Amino acid sequence: GAVVSQHPSRVICKSGTSVKIECRSLDFQATTMFWYRQFPKQSLMLMATSNEGSKATYEQGVEKDKFLINHASLTLSTLTVTSAHPEDSSFYICSARDGRGQYNEQFFGPGTRLTVL
Amino acid sequence: GNSVTQMEGPVTLSEEAFLTINCTYTATGYPSLFWYVQYPGEGLQLLLKATKADDKGSNKGFEATYRKETTSFHLEKGSVQVSDSAVYFCALVNFNKFYFGSGTKLNVKP
Repeated sequence: GAVVSQHPSRVICKSGTSVKIECRSLDFQATTMFWYRQFPKQSLMLMATSNEGSKATYEQGVEKDKFLINHASLTLSTLTVTSAHPEDSSFYICSARDGRGQYNEQFFGPGTRLTVL
Repeated sequence: GNSVTQMEGPVTLSEEAFLTINCTYTATGYPSLFWYVQYPGEGLQLLLKATKADDKGSNKGFEATYRKETTSFHLEKGSVQVSDSAVYFCALVNFNKFYFGSGTKLNVKP
């Protein structure tokens, strides 16, 4: 099946710094990528949808200036958490949709654990 | 609107026991239904899916049938193993957007 990678898998940063998380589709071109946030023992919450070459669409309640998303190519999307604070600590998961396949076929990355001290 | 409700966990079973994790949904239109599994510290892995009513998804001994009349997609396995211990998420896709249930943690004891 299609593979989606995320980097880094874990990151610890100080409060006030910015952190960038990469999401790559390794063997397919992803016309659309999605970013989710998962709180401990809870489900995934969709944060935003990004389409290659255009601005991301954010879900209600998600601060677009705090969570910057860039989908620069068909295989790479980045999420930058700006001026991170402890409440931003979470598990961030991306998924990518294969433009060639069924419209609802999404492949998930392994996730990035962010800890803000 | 679109939403998924699944049974709260944790579910604790002995090895070789029968597993059922209930999942019901509300949706407009004709969603596709999925079960994902998440092992500790990892992302989600697709376990099985069904794209239309009465379809049965199956994989690794797990099964789920898309029941439109009861708006359900219950996950079953006849004989669980310790290695099945994980969190299981029921999800639906409608208009290209995923909606996840809250997850059910399964603990299988030897």
